[in-house]
Amino acid sequence: AQKVTQAQTEISVVEKEDVTLDCVYETRDTTYYLFWYKQPPSGELVFLIRRNSFDEQNEISGRYSWNFQKSTSSFNFTITASQVVDSAVYFCALRGMNRDDKIIFGKGTRLHILP
Amino acid sequence: DGGITQSPKYLFRKEGQNVTLSCEQNLNHDAMYWYRQDPGQGLRLIYYSQIVNDFQKGDIAEGYSVSREKKESFPLTVTSAQKNPTAFYLCASRGPTGLLNTEAFFGQGTRLTVV
Repeated sequence: AQKVTQAQTEISVVEKEDVTLDCVYETRDTTYYLFWYKQPPSGELVFLIRRNSFDEQNEISGRYSWNFQKSTSSFNFTITASQVVDSAVYFCALRGMNRDDKIIFGKGTRLHILP
Repeated sequence: DGGITQSPKYLFRKEGQNVTLSCEQNLNHDAMYWYRQDPGQGLRLIYYSQIVNDFQKGDIAEGYSVSREKKESFPLTVTSAQKNPTAFYLCASRGPTGLLNTEAFFGQGTRLTVV
């Protein structure tokens, strides 16, 4: 069975603070993909990043960075110097490489950036 | 422009009526997905299709039906058997199998309200 856990339901930080969103996953697949999506108030999910299970290199994109640790089954997302526009719901997702092709999402973390 | 189009954006129906939500994509994607989003529940998979004329149940398929007669289209019917149909419905698609096509892209969603 596959499962994605985002334990933080809601987080509030003051603008310019750094914030980390946690994601823990479970899968029996040896090869899998992890994703982060952003859902602004408009509702549409915006793809942020993909990480393959065989590539544990961390990634940085501007103020965003992702820490993938296979040993702890975690794929955490950090926003540095947060801005009000970062306020959204963020989802972590998992897709295994077995035949059924499901993409499983966590319950999301609602992030409030306070001015 | 290429993308995923869901229509309508808002839909109101009387209890006991079937209703069909439209999802069309012009990205030439093979896989398509339907998710339901409720407050605090994240995204839950209803149905998905990896290829034309084939689809599989997700985690909450009861009370829903789909068809995949064309590659571009994956309509979702919410039947009267669905006990709590009021929700935000998101459609997604994913490109052909390959390392660069593992993430799904989403439409803008349809908010269904049953009164």
